[in-house]
Amino acid sequence: DGGITQSPKYLFRKEGQNVTLSCEQNLNHDAMYWYRQDPGQGLRLIYYSQIVNDFQKGDIAEGYSVSREKKESFPLTVTSAQKNPTAFYLCASSIRGTSGRGQETQYFGPGTRLLVL
Amino acid sequence: AQRVTQPEKLLSVFKGAPVELKCNYSYSGSPELFWYVQYSRQRLQLLLRHISRESIKGFTADLNKGETSFHLKKPFAQEEDSAMYYCALPTGGGNKLTFGTGTQLKVEL
Repeated sequence: DGGITQSPKYLFRKEGQNVTLSCEQNLNHDAMYWYRQDPGQGLRLIYYSQIVNDFQKGDIAEGYSVSREKKESFPLTVTSAQKNPTAFYLCASSIRGTSGRGQETQYFGPGTRLLVL
Repeated sequence: AQRVTQPEKLLSVFKGAPVELKCNYSYSGSPELFWYVQYSRQRLQLLLRHISRESIKGFTADLNKGETSFHLKKPFAQEEDSAMYYCALPTGGGNKLTFGTGTQLKVEL
């Protein structure tokens, strides 16, 4: 269960402020993902990274940025350009980022709830 | 485009009653479908995947290509089955998943 950690549990953002959500994994997984979870909309992919130093936009990347400088870490920055940031953010990882031998299971962190002041 | 539809936001059943959580998909090719579950105050986790053809916690799901469905079933609901259930399928290459909007299952005594 402790393989993927997210911090903080709750985060408050002021207008015009950038905030960064942390995601760390000790599972030695190559791939990591960021999702946004909103009531009635399920999970939507923000960004994903198949390998260190590489990442791609998901379905709703506008207003967000990421980095993948280390295998274990995939921080997500919610910028001031994101006009509706209030949501529950989930980080996930999988052994591989490619599905050549079938889809890999994604393992999820506990989530960070972002609220706007 | 790949899409997953879960038509029910909320499904309420009595303990011991059969459960069927609906999932329909649109996908070109042979999809590999998943059910993920999120219990209260727990992480989202994989429940089962159709390729493994196994029963987890009494749940099964059969891929019906003719009806493009992957409904999740359990013959006798238990209180501990109350949770949010998401159907998911691969999308866009890589290991990405598209999730449905989820169905909240409530098992009442």
